[in-house]
Amino acid sequence: AQRVTQPEKLLSVFKGAPVELKCNYSYSGSPELFWYVQYSRQRLQLLLRHISRESIKGFTADLNKGETSFHLKKPFAQEEDSAMYYCAPQGAGANSKLTFGKGITLSVRP
Amino acid sequence: KAGVTQTPRYLIKTRGQQVTLSCSPISGHRSVSWYQQTPGQGLQFLFEYFSETQRNKGNFPGRFSGRQFSNSRSEMNVSTLELGDSALYLCASSLIGAAGLNYGYTFGSGTRLTVV
Repeated sequence: AQRVTQPEKLLSVFKGAPVELKCNYSYSGSPELFWYVQYSRQRLQLLLRHISRESIKGFTADLNKGETSFHLKKPFAQEEDSAMYYCAPQGAGANSKLTFGKGITLSVRP
Repeated sequence: KAGVTQTPRYLIKTRGQQVTLSCSPISGHRSVSWYQQTPGQGLQFLFEYFSETQRNKGNFPGRFSGRQFSNSRSEMNVSTLELGDSALYLCASSLIGAAGLNYGYTFGSGTRLTVV
């Protein structure tokens, strides 16, 4: 069965501190991996996708296929990073549903 | 370009009624998915449509159904509403590239359904 685990519900850090949001997945095949973010009073939006190897708003995500993890990292958190973050693997073709983790609330204090 | 549009934004229905929610995807996006979001269960997948065909279905009862039209617009229907169906229903569309590569979903603002 497809499963996504985000082990923490809340992460609270001070501005400027490093951030690591953890995600582990159990998925058949080789899923594409995404992180989505929801800021207060805004719609859910794509933050980054593994295939693009991109850095968005200073965030990067490292895929470890051996550990089936896709942790989201940022070296220096900003107050505007406070939001709900969801890890989401997605299969292809007939297995293409996007499965969300329970999400983690990141709170960055001044 | 216009984003994903969902209508209506808010809806109040009584138990036993049925409801239809609408979603207009981004132009050119042929994949449309629906999710139910609640505080307790988070984001749960309902179904996905691609080129008018249901490609995936989540673990929801048959009271939940959907369809997609030739212009990629999609509707979902919930019949015989129950109190537990109260939730935010999200629609998302995606551009599917060559070899089925998914570029990520763009979400609508959702329809807030309250069943009383």
